[in-house]
Order: sequence, then C-alpha cells, then structure tokens
Amino acid sequence: GEDVEQSLFLSVREGDSSVINCTYTDSSSTYLYWYKQEPGAGLQLLTYIFSNMDMKQDQRLTVLLNKKDKHLSLRIADTQTGDSAIYFCATHSGGYQKVTFGIGTKLQVIP
Amino acid sequence: GAVVSQHPSWVICKSGTSVKIECRSLDFQATTMFWYRQFPKQSLMLMATSNEGSKATYEQGVEKDKFLINHASLTLSTLTVTSAHPEDSSFYICSARSGQGGDNSPLHFGNGTRLTVT
Repeated sequence: GEDVEQSLFLSVREGDSSVINCTYTDSSSTYLYWYKQEPGAGLQLLTYIFSNMDMKQDQRLTVLLNKKDKHLSLRIADTQTGDSAIYFCATHSGGYQKVTFGIGTKLQVIP
Repeated sequence: GAVVSQHPSWVICKSGTSVKIECRSLDFQATTMFWYRQFPKQSLMLMATSNEGSKATYEQGVEKDKFLINHASLTLSTLTVTSAHPEDSSFYICSARSGQGGDNSPLHFGNGTRLTVT
C-alpha cells in the first residue's frame, strides 16, 4: 500500500527556519497536505499543493514538491515558539477517499 | 474556512459501557465523513468512511459491530464505541471534506475525542 515517511523530531531555535521533510511512494498522488497538530487537539490544515506544482508559498510557509523523487518539504520561516507542534504530511490520490498520513514530525522550538 | 466540530473533547467511561462521539460540519454539508484513530506517538489510522444515508465502509481489521457509525444527516456523523474496553482507549478524530472540489477537497478535522476506558 501507500507509504508516507517523515522524520520523528526536529529542533530549531526561535527565529531560525525549520524544514520538515516527507517522502511518499504513491506516484499517483495528486494532492499533498501539511497538517499541524497541537497537544490534545485535532489536525489543522496548514497548506496543500497540487502535484502539478513545484512550489507554493503562503506567508511564512513554503512547500516544495519534487515529484520525480516523491519528496515534499515544508519550510517555516522565522520559526516561533507557537509553531511547536507535530506536523503531518499526507497524500491523496484524486478520486480516492483515503488519505495516507505520515507518522508526524514533532517540531520543538527553543526560545 | 470549513469547520468541523467534535464532541465530547474527552470522556472517561467504565469497561463494558458504550460511548457516543459526535462529529458535525458546522458551515457546510458533508455527504462523507471519516473517522480516524490515533495511538500515542503514532499517525492517524483510518477506521471507516461514513456515508450519509447509507452504511459506513470500514477499513480492514476494524470491527463494525464494535464501532457503530451513523451518518443520519448531511451535517452529523456519530461513532459509538460499544462495550468499551481499556484497549479502546485512544484519540478519535473525525474529518470531512467541504465539498468544494469534490473528492479532491482537503480534509478538515475536528478537535478529536480522547477516550479513556477504565
């Protein structure tokens, strides 16, 4: 079946940039998502990118997609303590109901 | 943006009892909602797809008689954990698509329900 992999943990200093990486196996993925989960809460959709795009920028967030290598990254500029959370990468193939999630990367921001 | 409300946020119940969790789409209609389960330090596992007006579709390994799903209206789906046991303790999260873009719309999630079975 489909697989989405992420590193488990990332620690950065406040003000630095964070880059969270994700690799996936489903070459038919048409939509790729980044979700944020704070402790005890549900998932918040941060951004998503269509597979025909290479990059998407939304304020402090930049998503890069390398479709050839099936690699997705999320860059958070000027990382703040409020960005500390778990970030999930997810893929979705058009026409299918199922979304496949990675295990989540815990981002720790050090003041 | 699309809002999904889930209730309760947390619940503690005794072993053998049943617990109902509600998932509502507040500002859009959702013909399909999804129920996920999340174990500590793990990703989300899709349990079932809830379809308005018809039977839910369960993922392999999920007991449909234990996890009853009812999607009676376009804005409400419920998950009932029947005869709960301590191993059912988990974080349950529902989600729905806002409908714009159909099956290609992003998922919007509720805040989750933490179930503890004693």
